[in-house]
Amino acid sequence: EIVLTQSPGTLSLSPGERATLSCRASQSVSNYLAWYQQKPGQAPRLLIYDASSRATGIPARFSGSGSGTDFTLIISSLEPEDFAVYYCHQRSSWYTFGQGTKLEIK
Amino acid sequence: EVRLVESGGGLVKPGGSLRLSCAASGFTFSNIWMSWIRQAPGKGLEWVGRIRSKTEGGTTDYAAPVKGRFTISRDDSKHTLYLQMNSLKTEDTAVYYCTTDPWPFDNWGQGTLVTVSS
Repeated sequence: EIVLTQSPGTLSLSPGERATLSCRASQSVSNYLAWYQQKPGQAPRLLIYDASSRATGIPARFSGSGSGTDFTLIISSLEPEDFAVYYCHQRSSWYTFGQGTKLEIK
Repeated sequence: EVRLVESGGGLVKPGGSLRLSCAASGFTFSNIWMSWIRQAPGKGLEWVGRIRSKTEGGTTDYAAPVKGRFTISRDDSKHTLYLQMNSLKTEDTAVYYCTTDPWPFDNWGQGTLVTVSS
């Protein structure tokens, strides 16, 4: 099983700041990596797939990069609605998720 | 508009059974693989299993923790996905979501809560 490790566990930032979230895979997943945003009481929302492609309707302030084992989600300038939990997810070998990064307001 | 609505969750004792349903609309259900994902309270996401379309064999795959206890099926005439859960354990307590598959999972239901407790 491919293990995805996200860091940091919690990220405390202010609106307008830049957020950098990381996801590391235990073995190469090529570019088969996605990012989701989840708010309390809601289902996850797809943000990024194939490591760097934005899903339909996702604002340009969200960007993804990486390949192989190291991936990054960047939110260029945080909006109040961006504070949530973010998960990375791979499909290279079955499906697994990272444990999540909580982005909280500082 | 794609819509997925899960139902059937509730409280069940350890060792018991429960069947979840996922009613789908807004797309050609019969052509699409479907997956179940779960999320234990306060925890992360865990893939449970998937079912292929009938034209691709209608076969299923399961995650190790549920293999042999859970069964995914589909009724294309009713546009409904099912998750039969047997021999339930306390660690199966979670919100269960259905999603369209293939990857990435861009359509999710609202989830249904399953609580396994004596």
